[in-house]
Amino acid sequence: QVQLQESGPGLVRPSGTLSLNCAVSNFSISSGYFWGWLRQPPGKGLEWIGTIYPSGNTFYNPSLSSRVTISLDTSTNHFSLRLTSVTAADTAIYFCARQGSGVHPDYWGHGTLVTVTS
Amino acid sequence: DIVMTQSPLSLSVTPGQPASISCKSSQSLLQRDGKTALYWYLQKPGQSPQLLMVEVSNRFSGVSDRFSGSGSGTDFTLQISRVEAEDVGVYYCMQSKELLTFGPGTKVEI
Repeated sequence: QVQLQESGPGLVRPSGTLSLNCAVSNFSISSGYFWGWLRQPPGKGLEWIGTIYPSGNTFYNPSLSSRVTISLDTSTNHFSLRLTSVTAADTAIYFCARQGSGVHPDYWGHGTLVTVTS
Repeated sequence: DIVMTQSPLSLSVTPGQPASISCKSSQSLLQRDGKTALYWYLQKPGQSPQLLMVEVSNRFSGVSDRFSGSGSGTDFTLQISRVEAEDVGVYYCMQSKELLTFGPGTKVEI
């Protein structure tokens, strides 16, 4: 079964850049599925951040698109999230996920809490 | 943007009894390929969301047949035939017809 694991700093300074990696196991990220990032502020609901196709094409949540970059590294079978100019509103649990043909997330990582604080 | 709403937002259930959650979208989720881009997730306490239903009514791999989904267009329902203690958590509907947006969630507790 495909497994995903997020990693990265748990604390980021305001106006800084949030960078996270997602390591994928038991499945090749170049095998025809999509890969995405989502987040959940503490105690709140789910928000989709963006998705990357195996081709490298991306599409992002319009509310975040000016600050987001998602990239793939097929040689190490992981993909990454970069979010610039962060504020306290970006404090959340960040999840990576495989997305099926309907672009729906079907397998999720456990999530990693990122806190924006000075 | 397609806005998703759910009701109720909180639901107290009795083990062995049925439960039902409603989800409505601001636009039809029927796609040109004939599929309806509506999905259901359950987020158990302290866990990441897990996929329950695909395209309204198709149970994802390993999902109990106590769960069923129905609906079309803009109105959808998730039903649990007999609630068990392991079903507690927050249920989300999600659309993927235009980008991805989630409903606010329905908290189910025993």
